[in-house]
Amino acid sequence: EAGVTQSPTHLIKTRGQQATLRCSPISGHTSVYWYQQALGLGLQFLLWYDEGEERNRGNFPPRFSGRQFPNYSSELNVNALELEDSALYLCASSLYVSSELFFGEGSRLTVL
Amino acid sequence: QQQVKQSPQSLIVQKGGISIINCAYENTAFDYFPWYQQFPGKGPALLIAIRPDVSEKKEGRFTISFNKSAKQFSLHIMDSQPGDSATYFCAASIGNTDKLIFGTGTRLQVFP
Repeated sequence: EAGVTQSPTHLIKTRGQQATLRCSPISGHTSVYWYQQALGLGLQFLLWYDEGEERNRGNFPPRFSGRQFPNYSSELNVNALELEDSALYLCASSLYVSSELFFGEGSRLTVL
Repeated sequence: QQQVKQSPQSLIVQKGGISIINCAYENTAFDYFPWYQQFPGKGPALLIAIRPDVSEKKEGRFTISFNKSAKQFSLHIMDSQPGDSATYFCAASIGNTDKLIFGTGTRLQVFP
């Protein structure tokens, strides 16, 4: 069974540009979570989607947004990129709320 | 109140020794405490988890000790092996609400 898959693996952008990251959850999982892993800061919660709806968002500005599609895949959009947005963005899925999170290998975003 | 404080930031242990990582929390509503293990270039993976109705849970060489009154929990790795070298994250969440709150991580290095 395929795990959580994320694309692209690496992405390089310049300040002010937009980045789009994609995530496919494990088959049957309806909840998708996005986390930002910046150096030395651990995993910071970004967004949670379940059944196509945004259920919660972390303490990030509105230029971080996303959506979940009918097939439960998800994308994260980051507008007006800033240097401090450089991080590993991790997507996780779960079978139901508060069950085990299965993480993908992440998309590394570098903002120059 | 939503923070989970993790220490130490890094840990060096000799093969066969005991590795101990500690976490503390403030929010008494937290009732799910997992530990995740992350190898370089990979996403975090669930290692072991505990709920506050027990004070200890053991799985192989890995043990979680939970002190509800002190609002602390710790991971003990017995007979540490070089293959255990990874970054370990504690986390906490509230029932079936939403997001996991992660600690800042501990980089463990086990030397032969």
